[in-house]
Amino acid sequence: DAKTTQPTSMDCAEGRAANLPCNHSTISGNEYVYWYRQIHSQGPQYIIHGLKNNETNEMASLIITEDRKSSTLILPHATLRDTAVYYCIVRVAYSGAGSYQLTFGKGTKLSVIP
Amino acid sequence: GAGVSQSPSNKVTEKGKDVELRCDPISGHTALYWYRQSLGQGLEFLIYFQGNSAPDKSGLPSDRFSAERTGGSVSTLTIQRTQQEDSAVYLCAAGRTLQETQYFGPGTRLLVL
Repeated sequence: DAKTTQPTSMDCAEGRAANLPCNHSTISGNEYVYWYRQIHSQGPQYIIHGLKNNETNEMASLIITEDRKSSTLILPHATLRDTAVYYCIVRVAYSGAGSYQLTFGKGTKLSVIP
Repeated sequence: GAGVSQSPSNKVTEKGKDVELRCDPISGHTALYWYRQSLGQGLEFLIYFQGNSAPDKSGLPSDRFSAERTGGSVSTLTIQRTQQEDSAVYLCAAGRTLQETQYFGPGTRLLVL
């Protein structure tokens, strides 16, 4: 079972920031938060991941709360090409701590509106 | 290559036939995973390989499914005596190690008639 909770869908105006929330209240100390997205008919695309600190790359920013029980993925300037299903996943970080496969939930369907 | 590649892109087969799906991982990525995604469903883990270690087959749905990885690189997922419920997109992912980020291929769309 997925260990995360995300809204089913969200809309965002083109050019505005898209803020996608995720709850992971049962996350353990050795689990990362990963974000992937899946554009229709394509394989999942890795976006970003983090353990405790906020992270930023060329695609997005990841804000993790201090208690690590929730996070927000931020797409700073959403474009129509960002329309996709966004998945928030918790995944074990260290050897021997558990299984390494990704468990995908239903994700958030983000629609970027012109 | 720059990313994970999979072949064929699409496969249509008749019920009862065997199919082989191929995954070419990113060079040097020792961890390789297979998942499948049925229509309207989430991704379901099937199997993973790490180097020369025994694979984790815990996600394979039946003994009709098997996978091998030759030379620590290319992997083949074989489905014997295909059934209509095997219709799905089969996705391969690769990571530098089991602990590191997984990068997905484009998938193979399998349709069993």
